[in-house]
Amino acid sequence: GAVVSQHPSWVICKSGTSVKIECRSLDFQATTMFWYRQFPKQSLMLMATSNEGSKATYEQGVEKDKFLINHASLTLSTLTVTSAHPEDSSFYICSARDRGRVGYEQYFGPGTRLTVT
Amino acid sequence: AQKVTQAQTEISVVEKEDVTLDCVYETRDTTYYLFWYKQPPSGELVFLIRRNSFDEQNEISGRYSWNFQKSTSSFNFTITASQVVDSAVYFCALSQQGGKLIFGQGTELSVKP
Repeated sequence: GAVVSQHPSWVICKSGTSVKIECRSLDFQATTMFWYRQFPKQSLMLMATSNEGSKATYEQGVEKDKFLINHASLTLSTLTVTSAHPEDSSFYICSARDRGRVGYEQYFGPGTRLTVT
Repeated sequence: AQKVTQAQTEISVVEKEDVTLDCVYETRDTTYYLFWYKQPPSGELVFLIRRNSFDEQNEISGRYSWNFQKSTSSFNFTITASQVVDSAVYFCALSQQGGKLIFGQGTELSVKP
C-alpha cells in the first residue's frame, strides 16, 4: 500500500515551453501533497505544499506564477513549469500524506527528471 | 529555525566495515519527527525509519541501527557489515507541524568490494 506515482518519469522540452508533471496517490487519499526539487548532488528542497481544494502554499523564493500547482482531487496534484528555461532542469519529486493515517509520514513518488534545452 | 545538518558529505568504506552516518538537528518544537531516507542512483527515495520526539529508544533493523539522543539533538544511523548494495545517498530529515520535511544535505556512501 501507500504508492505514489509520477508521470512522466522524465521529460525533455525546449526553452519557453510549459511542462506538466502529475503526482498521484494510487491506493490512498491525500489531502496534502508536497513538491520538492533536487539539483544534481544536492538535497531536496521543498517548493510548495499542495492542499486539496485550496491554493498551494509556496516556500520563500519559489515563483508561484512559474510553478503552477493544482490539487484538484484527493489523489492528484499537478505541477506545471511554465515558460521553462534551462535553469529549471532538475529532478522534481512529489510526496503525499495519507489522510487516513496519524503521524507525519510522507510517501514519495519516483521523481520526474526535467531537462530543458 | 529548523535545520538538519549532515556534516559528512561523502564516506567511502570497504565491504563488511561498519559505518555511521551523523545527523544533527535544530528545532524549537517539542513534537517532531525524524526520518532517514536512502536515495539510490535511480533517484527514488526509500523510507528507512521514522522516529517521534518522545521515543528515544534505539532501533535495530537487520544491519541497520539508529541512535536518537535528544540531549545532543542527534539521530545517527549505523550500517553494520556494509555491502556494496548499501552504496547510495542517505538523507536525514526533520518534520515540522503540518508535515513539511526539512532535509539535511545528504551523505553519499560508497561501499567498495
